[in-house]
Amino acid sequence: NAGVTQTPKFRVLKTGQSMTLLCAQDMNHEYMYWYRQDPGMGLRLIHYSVGEGTTAKGEVPDGYNVSRLKKQNFLLGLESAAPSQTSVYFCASRVQGARYYGYTFGSGTRLTVV
Amino acid sequence: DAKTTQPNSMESNEEEPVHLPCNHSTISGTDYIHWYRQLPSQGPEYVIHGLTSNVNNRMASLAIAEDRKSSTLILHRATLRDAAVYYCILSTRTGANNLFFGTGTRLTVIP
Repeated sequence: NAGVTQTPKFRVLKTGQSMTLLCAQDMNHEYMYWYRQDPGMGLRLIHYSVGEGTTAKGEVPDGYNVSRLKKQNFLLGLESAAPSQTSVYFCASRVQGARYYGYTFGSGTRLTVV
Repeated sequence: DAKTTQPNSMESNEEEPVHLPCNHSTISGTDYIHWYRQLPSQGPEYVIHGLTSNVNNRMASLAIAEDRKSSTLILHRATLRDAAVYYCILSTRTGANNLFFGTGTRLTVIP
């Protein structure tokens, strides 16, 4: 009954370092998403995937890469972190199909780039 | 994409009903109305959705105006745990990318 699990929950990076955020879901959902949320703002979509082996750009994709090698996992990579990428990152998943299906979100990864 | 307008903040006393409004005057006939909420330090959580008719579930009720240009999320008895940011979102597209968050309404529940 885990739903969507994000690791790590917190991370501090130095400018220029790289890291990978992992999202895992156990609901057999086809669609997966990565969002970022900055203070006082709503969530903005970074990248998403409609199935294993597929990825697509969202609203703010620059500086990030993603991979979906297994259906249950969606990885978000930062190759060279910048202070502007300090944010809270949320992963989400949902069932394929009709637009009324609800999204399930993880609890977030708080990333600080110094 | 069709926009929604929500008040930035609202307050409610504990154990009283709360009516959270949302205006969506440019809604089209096939757009679903979704509500999510985000508790402090948590990811958003699905609350309810509807198309034309009023909807009820264990968390809340959704009242949709007859012309669909506005809707109201109703929490029947606010608890301290209901303090959160509530997002009213229209799913305006088919396909996978159909959830666009605004800044929502921050609900404060007063003990």
